[in-house]
Amino acid sequence: EDQVTQSPEALRLQEGESSSLNCSYTVSGLRGLFWYRQDPGKGPEFLFTLYSAGEEKEKERLKATLTKKESFLHITAPKPEDSATYLCAVQGGTSYGKLTFGQGTILTVHP
Amino acid sequence: DVKVTQSSRYLVKRTGEKVFLECVQDMDHENMFWYRQDPGLGLRLIYFSYDVKMKEKGDIPEGYSVSREKKERFSLILESASTNQTSMYLCASSPPGTDYEQYFGPGTRLTVT
Repeated sequence: EDQVTQSPEALRLQEGESSSLNCSYTVSGLRGLFWYRQDPGKGPEFLFTLYSAGEEKEKERLKATLTKKESFLHITAPKPEDSATYLCAVQGGTSYGKLTFGQGTILTVHP
Repeated sequence: DVKVTQSSRYLVKRTGEKVFLECVQDMDHENMFWYRQDPGLGLRLIYFSYDVKMKEKGDIPEGYSVSREKKERFSLILESASTNQTSMYLCASSPPGTDYEQYFGPGTRLTVT
């Protein structure tokens, strides 16, 4: 059974204070690891897909990296508008594109 | 631009009512999914469909059914709503097969009283 664990559950940062969110996973035959951002009361918004260990993707202040056991979402010099819940999900070797999600990290960036 | 829409943002129903939640995508995606999201439990897959008239159970299908008569539309049905089905319901779609990200709708906040 695929499993995803995210840590910490909540993270409070000051504006400009860089940090990282962790996503540990166990999956049978990783097809892809996905990061999403979710604002309160809205659906998740796709950020990145990582397919193999060593891969990195960047978007503005966010950078996602992948190893064989975990992924990190690095946030550089965050701004208050980066405040959201960040979700990690994996797609295993099963068919039809099913995703298994972690419980998310709630990020709050104070001005 | 990718678009997944859900029929209602907020819905209040009574225990025992039959409830229909509808999802429409305009991306010509084969795969469609229904999740529920609850605090502390994350997103849990209820049902998914990889083609018209095809459906597969997810992790928590009990108390739910689905219908997919057209490629762009995927409906979630609560046959007899119960209070423990109060939740945020999220629909998503993706291209066929694996390796592709899912695109989510805005969600329906369902309250069953």
